[in-house]
Amino acid sequence: QKEVEQDPGPLSVPEGAIVSLNCTYSNSAFQYFMWYRQYSRKGPELLMYTYSSGNKEDGRFTAQVDKSSKYISLFIRDSQPSDSATYLCAMSRNSGNTPLVFGKGTRLSVIA
Amino acid sequence: DGGITQSPKYLFRKEGQNVTLSCEQNLNHDAMYWYRQDPGQGLRLIYYSQIVNDFQKGDIAEGYSVSREKKESFPLTVTSAQKNPTAFYLCASSRGSPDTQYFGPGTRLTVL
Repeated sequence: QKEVEQDPGPLSVPEGAIVSLNCTYSNSAFQYFMWYRQYSRKGPELLMYTYSSGNKEDGRFTAQVDKSSKYISLFIRDSQPSDSATYLCAMSRNSGNTPLVFGKGTRLSVIA
Repeated sequence: DGGITQSPKYLFRKEGQNVTLSCEQNLNHDAMYWYRQDPGQGLRLIYYSQIVNDFQKGDIAEGYSVSREKKESFPLTVTSAQKNPTAFYLCASSRGSPDTQYFGPGTRLTVL
């Protein structure tokens, strides 16, 4: 079993839809959780990060962590064509400069 | 502007040649990382460095080498021992807690 599992998609939705992107993980030691957005042929950019369980909201984006289920989600409200990208989840065991463990990414297309 | 720069953006290599990819950051981050990204494979860690003059192998270090002589710089050499080097290479850096990593724009390496 891989440490982090993420459905690669592709996921195609109409403009204005609510998008739900998810990752599951196996290591209960993970404490920090991040979502990155990567446009084609570009470097990933950090979207959201959360510590431990709970929700965090930033504009149209909401990150949710359920440590009891080892499950994290990213919700995008009122999706736009500009949201079309690959979304990568990432997580870390502790603070300090340890490498992140990444999911393989979900490719999202928002159709106008 | 603070950020991470990678050069060149595109690089072509003949079989049997060593090539060096540049990564520079002016974010005053302690840690730096190199990833390889192939279609459908997600991000795979090659090497990382937490402090100057020290670095650790990642999951796929064979055929690669790095140096960390300055805090700002973490060059990656793809040696002739790397059998399948054609890929998109990403450099990242991070400060302390939490371990959010910031990525450069990437270098696309093609072996001719």
